[in-house]
Amino acid sequence: NAGVTQTPKFRILKIGQSMTLQCTQDMNHNYMYWYRQDPGMGLKLIYYSVGAGITDKGEVPNGYNVSRSTTEDFPLRLELAAPSQTSVYFCASSYSKTEAFFGQGTRLTVV
Amino acid sequence: KNEVEQSPQNLTAQEGEFITINCSYSVGISALHWLQQHPGGGIVSLFMLSSGKKKHGRLIATINIQEKHSSLHITASHPRDSAVYICAVREEYGNKLVFGAGTILRVKS
Repeated sequence: NAGVTQTPKFRILKIGQSMTLQCTQDMNHNYMYWYRQDPGMGLKLIYYSVGAGITDKGEVPNGYNVSRSTTEDFPLRLELAAPSQTSVYFCASSYSKTEAFFGQGTRLTVV
Repeated sequence: KNEVEQSPQNLTAQEGEFITINCSYSVGISALHWLQQHPGGGIVSLFMLSSGKKKHGRLIATINIQEKHSSLHITASHPRDSAVYICAVREEYGNKLVFGAGTILRVKS
């Protein structure tokens, strides 16, 4: 059972570079989420999607973009990396209002 | 003020002790989640509850909707219980989970 799979697990970016964090789930969940986790803080919602073709901003969307062309995939794009985007990123999925399943996280450092 | 507050922030216990972690929230919710995160690891869902009490092994979660409060109890704690425990609430009329900052638990042998 794969569940929610995130890649890469670790990445170091230089300021101004761009990258895509991949997230895929095999549970046919309609809801998918991207969170960031900073030390001593709760997870903050970046973007979420309630189904293919539908995305919406969370609390901290600036500097990020997402797309949801399929039910399975929900990639997160960083266009111009900044040191403030150094964080651990988690992707999650769920059915409408049920238990959420999380990926293993991506540790991103921007230098 | 955060919508979800957890206490304590840090907790150190001796093996075998009974542990309680508290979560208070200020918004209307449809459900509350307790999650566990091991160092460097992913996040695992422990409980989702909207009323009453749930038990799974040595873990017990309770919620009081009127008081907007939930507790997570660990009986006969063990060093392998050392982790960050996170409370999250699903807003009553929304699609989002709102997270507490987490409680760092260390159980010493």
